[in-house]
Amino acid sequence: DTGVSQDPRHKITKRGQNVTFRCDPISEHNRLYWYRQTLGQGPEFLTYFQNEAQLEKSRLLSDRFSAERPKGSFSTLEIQRTEQGDSAMYLCASSLGQGNTIYFGEGSWLTVV
Amino acid sequence: ELKVEQNPLFLSMQEGKNYTIYCNYSTTSDRLYWYRQDPGKSLESLFVLLSNGAVKQEGRLMASLDTKARLSTLHITAAVHDLSATYFCAVIGGSQGNLIFGKGTKLSVKP
Repeated sequence: DTGVSQDPRHKITKRGQNVTFRCDPISEHNRLYWYRQTLGQGPEFLTYFQNEAQLEKSRLLSDRFSAERPKGSFSTLEIQRTEQGDSAMYLCASSLGQGNTIYFGEGSWLTVV
Repeated sequence: ELKVEQNPLFLSMQEGKNYTIYCNYSTTSDRLYWYRQDPGKSLESLFVLLSNGAVKQEGRLMASLDTKARLSTLHITAAVHDLSATYFCAVIGGSQGNLIFGKGTKLSVKP
């Protein structure tokens, strides 16, 4: 399968713990995006990368959230000191340049208890 | 701030009927995306509309874009149960990077 791959698919963690999600984009896609989606809502933009450069961050991305794409390929999204409000599906997406289809991964479900 | 509004938010249709979902956005954009999402699943790309007057069709779904009116429509022809899902439109916001999504239209097609 050559689509966008996310890991883990499901994560249950205790409040206050740190979690990290990984995203492998479609090969050769230079743009990578992170979104968050809660039940009954549309996806909300968190951040995006062009190659290894993080070009835009949403105000939703508090200082507990950090994203990296060190070699311009895979990306990680870390949430420190998780809170119950962080429970959501975290979606990764990738595209080749502007104006092209943006492909989404299957998402990583986070439950903070 | 760019806002994207869809209506209706919920749509219950009978099989065989036609209907249209509307997507309005608040600031200029020449790219609009339509996605489908099944419960508990990720988003499947349906259409990318890149210019004013663009029209794309795939099976029973047809999407169009009017950039002057800041309006896109997703028309469903002769609905079938398999089309039941949530449909999102999204517009490029920010510095040509991120997608801003509408709240989605939950479509239910009943026999």
